[in-house]
Parts: sequence; structure tokens; C-alpha cells
Amino acid sequence: GIQVEQSPPDLILQEGANSTLRCNFSDSVNNLQWFHQNPWGQLINLFYIPSGTKQNGRLSATTVATERYSLLYISSSQTTDSGVYFCAVEGGLDSSYKLIFGSGTRLLVRP
Amino acid sequence: DAGVTQSPTHLIKTRGQQVTLRCSPKSGHDTVSWYQQALGQGPQFIFQYYEEEERQRGNFPDRFSGHQFPNYSSELNVNALLLGDSALYLCASSPGGILLHFGNGTRLTVT
Repeated sequence: GIQVEQSPPDLILQEGANSTLRCNFSDSVNNLQWFHQNPWGQLINLFYIPSGTKQNGRLSATTVATERYSLLYISSSQTTDSGVYFCAVEGGLDSSYKLIFGSGTRLLVRP
Repeated sequence: DAGVTQSPTHLIKTRGQQVTLRCSPKSGHDTVSWYQQALGQGPQFIFQYYEEEERQRGNFPDRFSGHQFPNYSSELNVNALLLGDSALYLCASSPGGILLHFGNGTRLTVT
């Protein structure tokens, strides 16, 4: 099945810093979503982005489907950005209707 | 507009027991997916229900079963609980299978 790798696994930032999170996937995808899981376990959908670029406030994402990667940019980070960021994809022959998650990037933003 | 709601929020069971978790999808969503998230890992797909039928299943044993009701709500049942079943169980709903919206999860502890 399709493989999803995220990097870096852990990231510590000072408030106000910028960061880039990467997601590599091993096959063509129909669906790619970025999620933020807060310290209470809630998964929040950030972007649906199987290709192209989107922006939402301080967050933006770019997916280059032909090269099988996606990037999540966080600018002017805030302590509330802390948590785990997951990339999840749907694609390949046997993964229709199911999202395959990466192992996440754990972000800690210090005040 | 209520989002995805799950109950209970926490549950403690003993090995060998059976458990039922419940999920009400977001209004307007007809598809429900269940995911298991072990500590420190990304969510893993269990199965998806659409039109009261299991549409897709992940690599989970038959001890894991589910149901979808005519009002689109869903249950996840786990029989013969093992210690390794301890995890956060997440329900996600979507309008047709993409753009998942997650509930806050049920944290199951098996002792």
C-alpha cells in the first residue's frame, strides 16, 4: 500500500519563527489532507490539497503531485500552534475511501 | 451546527470484555469512518460505512465490527478485548468519503 513519510519528526520553535513541514508519499494520490492534533487529541482539518497551493491565515500548503510531496508552512508561529501535524493521503489501488496517515511532526512552540 | 460527536469520552475495560463506541456524524454527512490511534502514532483506518454497509476495511481482525444506522450514526464494537486495543478511537464523517471531519475521540484503556 501507499507509504507516507513526514519530516521532521520533532520540531521546537520560538514564538514568531517560521517553519516548513514535509510529507512524502509513495504513489499517486486522489486526496491529501493536513491535520493538526491539539494536546487534547482533537484532529482539526487544515487543508484538503491533492495538488496546488492554498493559504489560510498564517498557514499555507503546497502539494506537488508529480513529485509526490506536500509542504505545510507555518509563519509567525504561536504557542497555540503546538501539537502534532499529520499528513494523510488517499490513493493507490487498494486505499480508496481510506486515509493513510503519516507518523506526524510534533511541534512545540515556546513563548 | 454540531460537529462529529463521540461517546463515551473515556472508557476502562478488562481483557476479554466487549465494548461499543458510538458516533454521530456532522449534519449533512452520510459517510462514517473509524480510526484507531495508538499512543505516539498516526491514526490507522479500521473501516468505513456508507449507506449502512461496510464499504472499505483496514487491516483489523474480525473482533472489530461496526454498524451504521439509517440516521447515519455509527457504532464500533470490539470483542474479546486485548491490552493492545488500548488506544484513542476516532470517528470521522464526510459527505461521500472525502474531506474528513473528526470527533474528539474515545480513549479506551484495557487492563
